[in-house]
Amino acid sequence: DTAVSQTPKYLVTQMGNDKSIKCEQNLGHDTMYWYKQDSKKFLKIMFSYNNKELIINETVPNRFSPKSPDKAHLNLHINSLELGDSAVYFCASSPRGWGPATQYFGPGTRLLVL
Amino acid sequence: DAKTTQPNSMESNEEEPVHLPCNHSTISGTDYIHWYRQLPSQGPEYVIHGLTSNVNNRMASLAIAEDRKSSTLILHRATLRDAAVYYCILLLSGNTGKLIFGQGTTLQVKP
Repeated sequence: DTAVSQTPKYLVTQMGNDKSIKCEQNLGHDTMYWYKQDSKKFLKIMFSYNNKELIINETVPNRFSPKSPDKAHLNLHINSLELGDSAVYFCASSPRGWGPATQYFGPGTRLLVL
Repeated sequence: DAKTTQPNSMESNEEEPVHLPCNHSTISGTDYIHWYRQLPSQGPEYVIHGLTSNVNNRMASLAIAEDRKSSTLILHRATLRDAAVYYCILLLSGNTGKLIFGQGTTLQVKP
């Protein structure tokens, strides 16, 4: 069984559309993250939730809204998609949201905005 | 956020050891040194971490300088599957857990 899974794996959409990416972890972890990897391969954290509570919110446009229905799921909804949103989005989880806890990453969702 | 410096790229021959360096001259006493790697078209993967002492696990070894201003990730016998981007990251012990990725070192392994 995949520890951290994301759906969909690929997402191609038009500018202005609204889309969601789902993430689920079956590791029993308390903390989940969203990272964005741009075309230059730089990975940057976007959000983190600990037990369904937002603990990290980097400087991300408010078109991006994370939602955590329970601690095993962290979804990312994106409104009014723009060309610059094209990237690979990675979900990750860790046992806790502090200290040197190992993070486990999902396979990524490749988003292409046309 | 504490900064790390790594070479952009390195090459190795298969079945030979690889030493990947990382400089972190501004490290503070409570910063942990983490290494992750990203294989092509995959998400990052945890490799190893340490605070002061050298560490070994099934994937690699981590050698930490006595002054902690640098560290070296050691792959004892590189395989083609070790070709990846390796990231050296500092993590505060009281940190919210966010990983600050740099550009990493792209390791090429030659058969």
